[in-house]
Amino acid sequence: QKEVEQNSGPLSVPEGAIASLNCTYSDRVSQSFFWYRQYSGKSPELIMSIYSNGDKEDGRFTAQLNKASQYVSLLIRDSQPSDSATYLCAANTGAQKLVFGQGTRLTINP
Amino acid sequence: GAGVSQSPRYKVAKRGQDVALRCDPISGHVSLFWYQQALGQGPEFLTYFQNEAQLDKSGLPSDRFFAERPEGSVSTLKIQRTQQEDSAVYLCASSYEGFVTEAFFGQGTRLTVV
Repeated sequence: QKEVEQNSGPLSVPEGAIASLNCTYSDRVSQSFFWYRQYSGKSPELIMSIYSNGDKEDGRFTAQLNKASQYVSLLIRDSQPSDSATYLCAANTGAQKLVFGQGTRLTINP
Repeated sequence: GAGVSQSPRYKVAKRGQDVALRCDPISGHVSLFWYQQALGQGPEFLTYFQNEAQLDKSGLPSDRFFAERPEGSVSTLKIQRTQQEDSAVYLCASSYEGFVTEAFFGQGTRLTVV
């Protein structure tokens, strides 16, 4: 079992709808969680971080964390074609490294 | 510099050849990380430097992989006797205060071993 797991997709969502991306992790020591966006051929870009249970909102993005269920999610409201990318979930156990999931490929259809 | 710079952007190596991949971090950034990203996968941690000290090399897949940062700035990832399974994008990231969560990634070097 990988430490951080994501559905690889592809996930297809119509423009203007809510895209929901999910991630589970196995190491209960993990304290902080991150969502990165990666366009094809580009480097990962940090879009959200979350450290405590509950929701964290930033513009059209909402990250949700449930440590009891070891579950992290990212919601993208009012999806735009420019949101089409691979979304990487990552966990940090406190050591100086991030453990990434395999990524979910998201396509927003105009 | 404005961002993390990696060179070359693309490298084709014949199996058994040695390669060296360069990373120029953002000026003043203390910490530097190397990750390996295989096609269709997320990045996997290779190694971490704080200044010139290599504090974690637990992710290096074999003794064919070697990284250095002799003056605490530019870093080189060297792969000896390349194998086909080494084909991947090698990402470098740097951060100012040593927090991996505040790191910025470079564009990566795509290595193809034929």
